[in-house]
This record gives sequence, C-alpha cells and structure tokens, in this order.
Amino acid sequence: DQQVKQNSPSLSVQEGRISILNCDYTNSMFDYFLWYKKYPAEGPTFLISISSIKDKNEDGRFTVFLNKSAKHLSLHIVPSQPGDSAVYFCAASARGGSNYKLTFGKGTLLTVNP
Amino acid sequence: SAVISQKPSRDICQRGTSLTIQCQVDSQVTMMFWYRQQPGQSLTLIATANQGSEATYESGFVIDKFPISRPNLTFSTLTVSNMSPEDSSIYLCSVQRGANGYTFGSGTRLTVV
Repeated sequence: DQQVKQNSPSLSVQEGRISILNCDYTNSMFDYFLWYKKYPAEGPTFLISISSIKDKNEDGRFTVFLNKSAKHLSLHIVPSQPGDSAVYFCAASARGGSNYKLTFGKGTLLTVNP
Repeated sequence: SAVISQKPSRDICQRGTSLTIQCQVDSQVTMMFWYRQQPGQSLTLIATANQGSEATYESGFVIDKFPISRPNLTFSTLTVSNMSPEDSSIYLCSVQRGANGYTFGSGTRLTVV
C-alpha cells in the first residue's frame, strides 16, 4: 500500500514555463513533507520542505503548496530551466512522534525543453 | 550540511555472492539510514543504523540478508548477502540534514547476474 503517490511518471514543459509536480498521500499522521531532485548517477538532493502547519513555502523559483484536507501537495517551478530536468521525489514523515523515517513516492521525471 | 562518500558507485555481481557497500560521512551523526530503490519504484528504507547498537530493520528486511555495521559515528556498511537478480537495485545511505530532510550518498547501482 503506497502511502505517498506521484501519479505522473513523467512531465515535459518548455523552458520559461511553469512546472507543476503533484503528490498525494494517505497517511494522516504525516506532518512534514519534502521534495528531492535526483540526477542520473547521483543521490537525491534536498530541494524544499513544508511543515503541516503551513500551506505554502517558497524558495526562489521553487514553491511547495500543501492542501491538508485533500492530502495533496505540489511543487511549482517558475520559470523552468533545462537544468531542472531530473527525477523529482516527494517524501513524507510523521515527525510528531520523533519518527524520522521518510516515505517516498515513485518519482516524476521532469524534462524541460529549450 | 553533511557530505557522504559512498562506494562502490556500481558493481555487477554473480548470484549467490555478497557485496558490502560503504558510507563515510564527513561529520559525526547519530543515525544513518540505508535505502533501496528497485527499478521503477520509490526509495524504500531498509534499516536505521545507530552507533553502538543493532540496526533497526523495516518490515520485509532482515539482518541475515542485509547485515549492517556501524563501528563509529562517521561510518557504516551495508552488506547484500547471497544475492539474486531481485536484489538488483540502487542502494543509498543517508543521514539527517539539520532540521530539514536528509542528505544522501551518490548511491550504489548493483546488478546481479
């Protein structure tokens, strides 16, 4: 049973446009959410996170939105650049109980075309 | 943030053999985590390794198959034992990165033939 779902295995956008990557979760105990970016032959790199007490967190071109009632979060990249082409993983944890285990989605391959 | 050196980066192994993966962290950390990513799947936590105690394994993973060592606060190894083609995966170590998220090693791509 997948607790974190990324239903789009791939996404293709034009350079300069907005990329929107989506993630859904089922475990209501999750209270902390993270996005990671992964290039081939490299480990995942932390991108941005959000606590469940917030509904938005912004860092430069990257913004994460959290809709707790829908158990849905999204990552917006504006403007998209070719260097953003990578696999993006959504992850969640239930930190309220000091459990730092991360549960990952399967990832979305983003391709930004010049 | 912590820097992790993981090796080997890749290996092709014969079934029935074992492979030990090493992770070296440039600073002392309490917990180290070992993940597996099977083809087309998400990253799945194998176990959490604390220095001075036995590793804690997640459901579906056992010590006999994935023995872990944690001799000090900067180093850990994961052994994939008695390998079969189903063990072909990317294996990653990870440490907690401050209050936000985790830092990952570059991964070990294992192919079992």
